[in-house]
Amino acid sequence: DAGVIQSPRHEVTEMGQEVTLRCKPISGHNSLFWYRQTMMRGLELLIYFNNNVPIDDSGMPEDRFSAKMPNASFSTLKIQPSEPRDSAVYFCASSLLAGGDEQFFGPGTRLTVL
Amino acid sequence: QKEVEQNSGPLSVPEGAIASLNCTYSDRGSQSFFWYRQYSGKSPELIMFIYSNGDKEDGRFTAQLNKASQYVSLLIRDSQPSDSATYLCAPYNFNKFYFGSGTKLNVKP
Repeated sequence: DAGVIQSPRHEVTEMGQEVTLRCKPISGHNSLFWYRQTMMRGLELLIYFNNNVPIDDSGMPEDRFSAKMPNASFSTLKIQPSEPRDSAVYFCASSLLAGGDEQFFGPGTRLTVL
Repeated sequence: QKEVEQNSGPLSVPEGAIASLNCTYSDRGSQSFFWYRQYSGKSPELIMFIYSNGDKEDGRFTAQLNKASQYVSLLIRDSQPSDSATYLCAPYNFNKFYFGSGTKLNVKP
């Protein structure tokens, strides 16, 4: 299995631009997570899907952030408009079961907003 | 108060020694506790998890849980330079996933 796939691996954009991050979970996994990691705030859960349905989006920082999971094999995290404080590494993870189960992380997308 | 508290380190231990990583959590309803290892520039990967009070051993790793004290720890025996990484404590409580900021471990040859 290829593991969790994320694209792009690196993204550099200018303030105000729209950014779309993509994730393909491990086949057969029912839960998908989007995290943001910074030195200051550590690893933060942004949103959690189970069977393609958003279960908890309380970690989404503001309306500029949105996430979708149109099917079991694809999810996007969009930031519009982007701001310099959004610069971070964004991880997508998936797990086989809902709830407390091992999460498999993708390689991450390093986002830099100038 | 943060949901998960970990000493950021770095914790430095000589090769072959026991490394002890500690974590306290605030959500008393937490049901299971995960330890992830993250190498610099890489993504987190699961080391082990524990559900019940007491000790759980997996090779050189031992997780210890005390729910009354809201405390969980990870012991690494016979530490190796390859264990040098950041260790993240992650309690879970019914659709609530928390991650600590991690403790950076340096194992010196």
